[in-house]
Amino acid sequence: GAVVSQHPSWVICKSGTSVKIECRSLDFQATTMFWYRQFPKQSLMLMATSNEGSKATYEQGVEKDKFLINHASLTLSTLTVTSAHPEDSSFYICSARPPRGGSPLHFGNGTRLTVT
Amino acid sequence: AQTVTQSQPEMSVQEAETVTLSCTYDTSESDYYLFWYKQPPSRQMILVIRQEAYKQQNATENRFSVNFQKAAKSFSLKISDSQLGDAAMYFCAYTVGTYKYIFGTGTRLKVLA
Repeated sequence: GAVVSQHPSWVICKSGTSVKIECRSLDFQATTMFWYRQFPKQSLMLMATSNEGSKATYEQGVEKDKFLINHASLTLSTLTVTSAHPEDSSFYICSARPPRGGSPLHFGNGTRLTVT
Repeated sequence: AQTVTQSQPEMSVQEAETVTLSCTYDTSESDYYLFWYKQPPSRQMILVIRQEAYKQQNATENRFSVNFQKAAKSFSLKISDSQLGDAAMYFCAYTVGTYKYIFGTGTRLKVLA
């Protein structure tokens, strides 16, 4: 089946530093990827829609200057948390949508970010 | 606006028994897709089942089946012969073709030995 690779699985960083999370679609070309944030025991909160070759579309309330998304190729999208603060600590999950409309999303394994 | 509602924050089921998780949604579209995802403690999102709205037949995957009621906008998941490995968060999700996917708030399923 389709596989989405997300890296790193976990990361600890200091306040004020930036962290980059990569999401790769290994089996298909993903023109669209989604980035989610998940708080403990809660649902997935869509942060932004990443479109290959164009600017990401951010959901209301998500700071685009803080959460930089780049979708430079059909198989790679990156999320950079800039100037991280402890409140950015969370679980971040990416997903890739196959080309065929209505296909199920394929998810990465997620990244647990801890900002100290 | 499209919404997905899971009214059961938590459910419990005895091992080998059957449990049904509920999901309702709101949409004005006639063609759309519905999914159930499972998120075990590992937090990996796993597709359980997919239903196409234009198909009247309920989708089935081994012990998992759905009761899709289009007019009522209801999409419940039935798990038969529950196993300890079924313990997880279950999310119902909706999409229209190339639109973004909308997830419900989830139902935590506990399986009792």
